[in-house]
Amino acid sequence: EVQLVESGGGLVQPGGSLRLSCAASGFTFSSFWMSWVRQAPGKGLECVANLKEDGSQKYYVESVKGRFTISRDNAKNSLFLQISSLRAEDTAVYYCARLARGSAEVYWGQGTQVTVSS
Amino acid sequence: DVVMTQSPLSLPVTLGQPASISCRSSQSLVHSDGNTYLVWFQQRPGQSPRRLIYKVSNRDSGVPDRFSGSGSGTDFTLKISRVEAEDVGVYYCMQGTHWPWTFGQGTKVEIK
Repeated sequence: EVQLVESGGGLVQPGGSLRLSCAASGFTFSSFWMSWVRQAPGKGLECVANLKEDGSQKYYVESVKGRFTISRDNAKNSLFLQISSLRAEDTAVYYCARLARGSAEVYWGQGTQVTVSS
Repeated sequence: DVVMTQSPLSLPVTLGQPASISCRSSQSLVHSDGNTYLVWFQQRPGQSPRRLIYKVSNRDSGVPDRFSGSGSGTDFTLKISRVEAEDVGVYYCMQGTHWPWTFGQGTKVEIK
């Protein structure tokens, strides 16, 4: 059974930092692109970062460039998102996801809440 | 980044009636490999999203055949032939052709 389990969310002050983690199991983690997708309260989905299987290619949505860093440890089947210079508008549930644009199955974690507030 | 625009944003539907959601992209979604990577997700209240359709018109395993996708280039449509109560939720299109992948704003389907 495929599982994606996020951790690391919490309440942080504006300008602060957090490191989100995602533990993957049930599939060959090193063979898939991975993504972080966020959803602000009452809002839609936003794909904030994508990372290639070997970590050699990374893509970010414009609003987080320079502040967020996606990375992975294939030996530990783990995905990470380092988020810094946090703003109120970064408040959201952050999902770890194995998105796929082709026929491969898509999987989502349950999400971890990040709240930016003083 | 490619902008995905959905309409309508709210769609009240009578049970058993059809529903249609439009999704338009700011750039063509035809990839250099010849594929068009347009995906549809359904998010039921309180749940993580579920993919329904990939590459414009291919249904995922377990997705009822009342869901269908169509379109090309920059214009795409998700149709539900006869809406059932379990179809209530928010529907998102997403493009996977250009980096970063981007979602539409979502269309909320509710029962009248």
